[in-house]
Amino acid sequence: KAGVTQTPRYLIKTRGQQVTLSCSPISGHRSVSWYQQTPGQGLQFLFEYFSETQRNKGNFPGRFSGRQFSNSRSEMNVSTLELGDSALYLCASSLGWSPNTGELFFGEGSRLTVL
Amino acid sequence: KQEVTQIPAALSVPEGENLVLNCSFTDSAIYNLQWFRQDPGKGLTSLLLIQSSQREQTSGRLNASLDKSSGRSTLYIAASQPGDSATYLCAVGDNFNKFYFGSGTKLNVKP
Repeated sequence: KAGVTQTPRYLIKTRGQQVTLSCSPISGHRSVSWYQQTPGQGLQFLFEYFSETQRNKGNFPGRFSGRQFSNSRSEMNVSTLELGDSALYLCASSLGWSPNTGELFFGEGSRLTVL
Repeated sequence: KQEVTQIPAALSVPEGENLVLNCSFTDSAIYNLQWFRQDPGKGLTSLLLIQSSQREQTSGRLNASLDKSSGRSTLYIAASQPGDSATYLCAVGDNFNKFYFGSGTKLNVKP
């Protein structure tokens, strides 16, 4: 079956702009998590959505937001981009409910460059 | 707060060698532990998932063990190959579907 799909794969923006990234989870998965990966900070958790509700949230400023649709697809938005937002943004999906195995499956990521 | 540490940060070995990657965590109240592989610029590929009630999992040349009481997991790679070169990350999951990642071990297998 199809894996986790993220679009776009690469994008370049300038400071002050905003960006929207999309993630389609594996069919049947209801949990979608977002991570930011940078060389200096490693993988940092942004937020998790389950059944259209934000269930967990990391320590990122309010410029980072997300949502999930009824088909479990998720989008994340970053407003007023800063140079430090340049990163690989990874989406992961899982079944999401207890007592599931909790196994995470990742997409290929969206590489954002802010100039 | 759960903290996950992976040592060493980088490892270089000759082809054919057996090797062990380490992962330690501070809070033993985990739900599961998952090992991933990441190639440069790519997403994470799941290698092995160990539930908190399990002691180990095996897949091909890979074997992962879990010792909750000591807060440790190891990933054993047998007969390493150049294609195994990648960054290996471990992630600890809690009962609330939150996952905590280590910073990874960058493995280089020399031909």
